[in-house]
Amino acid sequence: ETGVTQTPRHLVMGMTNKKSLKCEQHLGHNAMYWYKQSAKKPLELMFVYNFKEQTENNSVPSRFSPECPNSSHLFLHLHTLQPEDSALYLCASSQEVWPSTDTQYFGPGTRLTVL
Amino acid sequence: AQTVTQSQPEMSVQEAETVTLSCTYDTSENNYYLFWYKQPPSRQMILVIRQEAYKQQNATENRFSVNFQKAAKSFSLKISDSQLGDTAMYFCAFMKLGLVFGKGTRLSVIA
Repeated sequence: ETGVTQTPRHLVMGMTNKKSLKCEQHLGHNAMYWYKQSAKKPLELMFVYNFKEQTENNSVPSRFSPECPNSSHLFLHLHTLQPEDSALYLCASSQEVWPSTDTQYFGPGTRLTVL
Repeated sequence: AQTVTQSQPEMSVQEAETVTLSCTYDTSENNYYLFWYKQPPSRQMILVIRQEAYKQQNATENRFSVNFQKAAKSFSLKISDSQLGDTAMYFCAFMKLGLVFGKGTRLSVIA
């Protein structure tokens, strides 16, 4: 394990539900990331947070709402999702953001299924 | 926009043999960083190796090495003495704020 944990590991939700994904890093990093891994597409960067401030929103639909209360925790709030949002959602952290070249450490992911 | 292309969806190699995974990328940047990540089945993504574009010397990490051709925008990964534990999805990635990933190559090491 790399020091980045994600809960839950699996989540099944209906399109009208509201749920949240949680990520926690125990590495003392200042930057955190959300990625989406779909079966037929490359890993996609969704959001970047640096020192709790959002520095990147990669044109993500508003039904995904991130929250970063502190440098160790990152949430992804989900509401009125679509079946095509089913994917593995990966959280990562690094010491700093670009232009730093720090390695990103990934969590195990949350496997989300939207019915 | 930066893009990363991995043209080999799947590959297999016999244990103890050498295999090379290809990756090409497109960028207008002059200084950047490239990575290979490994995602074993049902396990977390971990860094295999990384390369700074301003360095001409190819990066190596034990059995893993890269062939970085900046002019050709090519960044291949060579795995020597392949082991069963090398079985995984391998992703090539370009660093720009977050990582821009290729679609991955599924590598199977056969006993």
